[in-house]
Amino acid sequence: DTAVSQTPKYLVTQMGNDKSIKCEQNLGHDTMYWYKQDSKKFLKIMFSYNNKELIINETVPNRFSPKSPDKAHLNLHINSLELGDSAVYFCASSHRSGTGEETQYFGPGTRLLVL
Amino acid sequence: DAKTTQPTSMDCAEGRAANLPCNHSTISGNEYVYWYRQIHSQGPQYIIHGLKNNETNEMASLIITEDRKSSTLILPHATLRDTAVYYCIVRVHGGSEKLVFGKGTKLTVNP
Repeated sequence: DTAVSQTPKYLVTQMGNDKSIKCEQNLGHDTMYWYKQDSKKFLKIMFSYNNKELIINETVPNRFSPKSPDKAHLNLHINSLELGDSAVYFCASSHRSGTGEETQYFGPGTRLLVL
Repeated sequence: DAKTTQPTSMDCAEGRAANLPCNHSTISGNEYVYWYRQIHSQGPQYIIHGLKNNETNEMASLIITEDRKSSTLILPHATLRDTAVYYCIVRVHGGSEKLVFGKGTKLTVNP
């Protein structure tokens, strides 16, 4: 049973296109995240949603729009794709404790290549 | 920026214990130390976390110094499958849920 799943696993597309990446978690968590790992392997938070509400937005361009239809899903839509968007995108989920003790579980990643 | 400092790389012989150090000298009293690892091309995997006391689970042990300014992750019997980048993370104070990843330690387990 996959705890955090992402689709697609690989995505190759042309510059200027619009694409979406989907994430689902079956852990019953109330918080979900998107992270980006660039070619230098730095892993950085992009967004976080708690109970379908945006709580973290780390100065990501407006071309990136996360959408959370319910607590178990957090999708990432990217408009007008640019070469620099090529990266691996990881979804994660956790249960928000408010105490700092909170374990995040990550999906397998979506490898996006913009040509 | 990450609040932790780790060696860039380490080597370990298969079957031996791997001890991965981490410095977090500016850690606050209510901040947890978390360890994750990322095996090549996979998503980060949670290993262990602690606040003050030493912790052990089926994957590893975490030793936190009394002043909490540093910690060591111990893999008691490293296998080739433990080759990965290991990240030591201090949860950002102030209620933010994000994990701030540094560069981590690339651990190579050799046969």
